[in-house]
Amino acid sequence: RKEVEQDPGPFNVPEGATVAFNCTYSNSASQSFFWYRQDCRKEPKLLMSVYSSGNEDGRFTAQLNRASQYISLLIRDSKLSDSATYLCVVTFTGKLIFGQGTTLQVKP
Amino acid sequence: EAGVAQSPRYKIIEKRQSVAFWCNPISGHATLYWYQQILGQGPKLLIQFQNNGVVDDSQLPKDRFSAERLKGVDSTLKIQPAKLEDSAVYLCASSLASWGYEPNTGELFFGEGSRLTVL
Repeated sequence: RKEVEQDPGPFNVPEGATVAFNCTYSNSASQSFFWYRQDCRKEPKLLMSVYSSGNEDGRFTAQLNRASQYISLLIRDSKLSDSATYLCVVTFTGKLIFGQGTTLQVKP
Repeated sequence: EAGVAQSPRYKIIEKRQSVAFWCNPISGHATLYWYQQILGQGPKLLIQFQNNGVVDDSQLPKDRFSAERLKGVDSTLKIQPAKLEDSAVYLCASSLASWGYEPNTGELFFGEGSRLTVL
């Protein structure tokens, strides 16, 4: 079983749609959780941290369920500029482990 | 502020040849990482340094890959001899956080990567 699993997609949605990505992790001792964004042929960049209480940053909402070892990212009112690959990241003993990423394509 | 610098950006070699990649992290960042990203996959950690010491190299194929970080600043990653399956983007990243520090902000700053094609 992979340490961090994501549905690779692609998710094709129209502008203005709401889209949700899921991620599961195998190590119950994982300590911290993040979403990164990677544009085509670019380097990954931190999008947001994920907390058990849930957190929101504008149109983006991240949630963590430690009991189910599940992380989610919700994007509301999708923009063309949201088209990218979204990488789920967990940490364990100081090591950051990336999922394979979920690709989002927002169409006009 | 200058970001993470990597070179070369692109490299094409034949199998069994050798190649080296160079990384200069953000000034003052203690931790440096080398990741391998194969097309369609997420980044996979190859090696993690804190200052000039190796913290984790459990996924580094040591029969062909080597890495060093002299004086705790610049780092080089070498592949010798290269195989077809080594075709990937090699990403260098650095972070301010020291290994094992929690809470971890999780923010790694990546360079643009070195794209390797092995023919």
